[in-house]
Amino acid sequence: GNSVTQMEGPVTLSEEAFLTINCTYTATGYPSLFWYVQYPGEGLQLLLKATKADDKGSNKGFEATYRKETTSFHLEKGSVQVSDSAVYFCALSGSQGNLIFGKGTKLSVKP
Amino acid sequence: DAGVIQSPRHEVTEMGQEVTLRCKPISGHDYLFWYRQTMMRGLELLIYFNNNVPIDDSGMPEDRFSAKMPNASFSTLKIQPSEPRDSAVYFCASSLRRANTGELFFGEGSRLTVL
Repeated sequence: GNSVTQMEGPVTLSEEAFLTINCTYTATGYPSLFWYVQYPGEGLQLLLKATKADDKGSNKGFEATYRKETTSFHLEKGSVQVSDSAVYFCALSGSQGNLIFGKGTKLSVKP
Repeated sequence: DAGVIQSPRHEVTEMGQEVTLRCKPISGHDYLFWYRQTMMRGLELLIYFNNNVPIDDSGMPEDRFSAKMPNASFSTLKIQPSEPRDSAVYFCASSLRRANTGELFFGEGSRLTVL
């Protein structure tokens, strides 16, 4: 069945460092791919998405490219800020209209 | 515009008690999802509804869990009797169309602790 694997955290970076959070997926067909972010004490919110191969999703300085050949959707940001500290979830669209989430990667950014 | 509203935000109860979690989706949204989040298992889909009808409840862990959506603006998730292993954060989310083309909007969650 469809599944998502993302790198385990926690990830701790200094402000202005480069961020990569790896995400790979297993799926039949051509799912849409998503990154969601969860700030402390809040629900998840959509960060970016890509609906087909080679699409690049971007938002708030974050980017991820839908790579069909490597079944990956890695999240990157060139210069992180303290305010980016959160848990990041990779997800793909399931066959029944739901989303299938990875386990989440906690990011802590130190000033 | 109000987002997805869940209540209670926090619930502490004793094993064996009944727990009812409530959700008000965003007006006009036709899909509603219940997820459970734990450290060990991450985010798990429990059940989802389309136009108030349950579509897939295969994620409901056992018969102690039940969910209803009596109308487009209200859903409940009930656990009876509750057990300590049910302790988790329960999220409700809604969307306007199928999630593979759209966005899920999440509530702030209900943190359940069963002693």
